[in-house]
Amino acid sequence: QQQVKQSPQSLIVQKGGIPIINCAYENTAFDYFPWYQQFPGKGPALLIAIRPDVSEKKEGRFTISFNKSAKQFSLHIMDSQPGDSATYFCAASSTMNYGGSQGNLIFGKGTKLSVKP
Amino acid sequence: EAGVAQSPRYKIIEKRQSVAFWCNPISGHATLYWYQQILGQGPKLLIQFQNNGVVDDSQLPKDRFSAERLKGVDSTLKIQPAKLEDSAVYLCASSLRRGQDTEAFFGQGTRLTVV
Repeated sequence: QQQVKQSPQSLIVQKGGIPIINCAYENTAFDYFPWYQQFPGKGPALLIAIRPDVSEKKEGRFTISFNKSAKQFSLHIMDSQPGDSATYFCAASSTMNYGGSQGNLIFGKGTKLSVKP
Repeated sequence: EAGVAQSPRYKIIEKRQSVAFWCNPISGHATLYWYQQILGQGPKLLIQFQNNGVVDDSQLPKDRFSAERLKGVDSTLKIQPAKLEDSAVYLCASSLRRGQDTEAFFGQGTRLTVV
């Protein structure tokens, strides 16, 4: 029930394409869904996040779509660039007083994105 | 603002040896996390501190792992004795406070190789 399932494991797109990464969760106590971007040798960095009271959030070229009834959310990268090549992780957490685990991020396994010039 | 600092960046030890990692969070951040990231997987939480108190260590293998956060600032994570399966990147993260969707900032991590 604590898992966050992420797909695909890897993704190759051409420059300008729109890669889509999908995640699914089971725990209905989760109420915060961030996406992190990680470059080799670096720690993850927050890209964009959404709460379940909205179905979509856009920040620049990055969009999160959220389907509460299906317990699924996805990341879309518009007009992808070679500099977007990185590993992307979805995550989920409960910001309410869910025992000691409040705020703990549960990560998916990651998607390695490669954007070809 | 300065980010989360971790040291060392790399460490190679033999199995059954001990190792310690150090983390200095962003100034003023009350919440500190240690995550383990095995190659090809997402980070997995080991322990969460709120100031200098442990609020969640349910995923910490307490027979070999220990962590402390003295004075509510710096933190150390220790492994003793290390096993081959402990080879991973150990990430420290901090946030201003628990919950309330505050952003968690990650350090660059310490890559541990156990041989």
